[in-house]
Amino acid sequence: QVQLQESGPGLVEPLQTLSLTCTVSGGSISSGRYYWSWIRQPAGKGLEWIGRIYTSGNTNYNPSLKSRVTISVDTSKNQFSLKLNSVTAADTAVYYCARGIAVAVTPKYYFDYWGQGTLVTVSS
Amino acid sequence: DIQMTQSPSSLSASVGDRVTISCRASQGVSNYLAWYQQKPGKIPELLIYAASTLQSGVPSRFSGSGSGTDFTLTISSLQPEDVATYYCQKYNSAPPTFGQGTKVEIK
Repeated sequence: QVQLQESGPGLVEPLQTLSLTCTVSGGSISSGRYYWSWIRQPAGKGLEWIGRIYTSGNTNYNPSLKSRVTISVDTSKNQFSLKLNSVTAADTAVYYCARGIAVAVTPKYYFDYWGQGTLVTVSS
Repeated sequence: DIQMTQSPSSLSASVGDRVTISCRASQGVSNYLAWYQQKPGKIPELLIYAASTLQSGVPSRFSGSGSGTDFTLTISSLQPEDVATYYCQKYNSAPPTFGQGTKVEIK
């Protein structure tokens, strides 16, 4: 059974960098069929995809966040990470990591496993 | 980017009722459409992918239909454990966008 677990600070000061790590267990992050994503959800609101990384290191980001986001992967640790720069209160949300399962060999994917989510609050 | 619009935003129905939720894409997405259920305080869970394929373990009272721009999630007989917010998500192209959600409550 695949499991994903987010970790990182729950409180980040405005204009600083939010950093989170997702540890994957029960399966290899290097498997070629999966795209590893970060998704966030402000309290009482909907889901917003932040970006994804493939095992090769290829990334794709939400255009609305692209200038501030970096996602990286460490296959030796079976982890992938999120960095979001210059955060404001609008970035306060529950952050999820999720496994995107691809259709054939295309980058078309839906999310079959999610982490439990971690609340990140941006405040001084 | 393709926008996903769900309707209604919320609904209240009785146990045993048939419930339908609509999801409309601003451009065609073929059948690259997934549905998720998020119970209060819980993480989203995959219900349906490829517009109509039920994820393993999901009760058969859930079904999905549609193609192109118009999709429907149906709960054939609403149960108390179905209280949740439901999201559609298109995945034909980046970014994989979610609808705004439909909150389902018991009357």
